[in-house]
Amino acid sequence: EIVLTQSPDFQSVTPKEKVTITCRASQSIGSSLHWYQQKPDQSPKLLIKYASQSISGVPSRFSGSGSGTDFTLTINSLEAEDAAAYYCHQSSSLTGTFGQGTKLEIK
Amino acid sequence: EVQLVQSGAEVKKPGESLKISCKGSGYSFSNYWIGWVRQMPGKGLEWMGIIHPGYPETRYSPSFQGHITISADRSIDTAYLQWSSLKTSDTAMYYCARSGIPNAIVEVDPWGQGTLVTVSS
Repeated sequence: EIVLTQSPDFQSVTPKEKVTITCRASQSIGSSLHWYQQKPDQSPKLLIKYASQSISGVPSRFSGSGSGTDFTLTINSLEAEDAAAYYCHQSSSLTGTFGQGTKLEIK
Repeated sequence: EVQLVQSGAEVKKPGESLKISCKGSGYSFSNYWIGWVRQMPGKGLEWMGIIHPGYPETRYSPSFQGHITISADRSIDTAYLQWSSLKTSDTAMYYCARSGIPNAIVEVDPWGQGTLVTVSS
């Protein structure tokens, strides 16, 4: 099973700050890595697909990069509404896996 | 509009059986993989397994293999997640989510609203 490890687990940030979340895979997954945002009491929402492809309706301050085993989600100029948990997900193997999640708190 | 609507919250006792549902609408149900995801209270997302209603084909994550059954009924555009004997550790929110493109396991979008399962004696 492919293991995804995110860092950090938790980050407290101020509005307008730039945030970087990383996701490392236990083996190469090409670009089959996707990012989701989950706000409290809501279902997860797709933010980025295939490492760097943007999703319609998602603010442009969200971007992704990486390939192989190392991936990054970047949030430029953080807004208060970005307080949420963020998860990476790999679809390279037939049984997908998620990272453990990164919780962003807005100061 | 593509939509997944899940069945309502359940409260069960240990040892009881349960089947929850996920009804798709606004797309060709038989052509898209549907996955199930567990979220235990205060914890992260866990991939449980995935089914293609059209083939049909089902794949389970190793952690859940043998503990759950995923099925689908193409005639009513509905996928199911079931347990034959619940444990208190099955208490969680369960989400279904559709694969992003037909006949491929890729990103998942959209997601259902979730079904809260509480198992308590």
